[in-house]
Amino acid sequence: QITLKESGPTLVKPTQTLILTCTFSGFSLTTRGVRVGWIRQPPGKALEWLAVIYWDYDKRYSPSLKSRLTITKDTSKNQVVLTMTNMDPVDTASYFCVYMMRDNFADHWGQGTLVTVSS
Amino acid sequence: DIQMTQSPSTLSASVGDRVTITCRASQSISSWLAWYQQKPGKAPKVLIYKTSSLESGVPSRFSGSGSGTEFTLTITSLQPDDFATYYCQQYSSYWTFGQGTKVEIK
Repeated sequence: QITLKESGPTLVKPTQTLILTCTFSGFSLTTRGVRVGWIRQPPGKALEWLAVIYWDYDKRYSPSLKSRLTITKDTSKNQVVLTMTNMDPVDTASYFCVYMMRDNFADHWGQGTLVTVSS
Repeated sequence: DIQMTQSPSTLSASVGDRVTITCRASQSISSWLAWYQQKPGKAPKVLIYKTSSLESGVPSRFSGSGSGTEFTLTITSLQPDDFATYYCQQYSSYWTFGQGTKVEIK
């Protein structure tokens, strides 16, 4: 059974750096074809892809946020970490961790974690 | 960047209705399109991938069609559990979601 769970701060101040961790089970991020990604959703708004990391350490970032994002993995801990710098109130959103295997769509989702950016 | 435009933004329908949601891509995405359903306070779940492939466990009243730049999600007989927000997502070049279609009770 595949599960993913996001963790991190619920409140960050403007200009701070956000660090979110996705802890997963039921698969290995060393298996060929497996990817883990991050998606966010501001309250009442649409979904937005942020970043994806591949089993072979390849990475893809949203072009509009690339300068602020870093995605890494720790296969020994079954974790993927997303770092977003220079947080702003417009970054207030639920952040979801997702698993991809068959194609580049999200097969499985974490429950999401709400991050509020406010002073 | 590939832009995805969904219509309508909101759809009012009754149980038993046939419902169609449209998604248009700003350039051809071949068949690289998925549809998700999201209920309030929950994570989305995939319904259809590669335009028309039904995800395991998803009722057969859901279907998808299209190619290139125009795609549709159809629910043949709307059920109470189907009132939710639906998103399309292209995965031909990076990933982009549509803005969502809320299906509400008429």
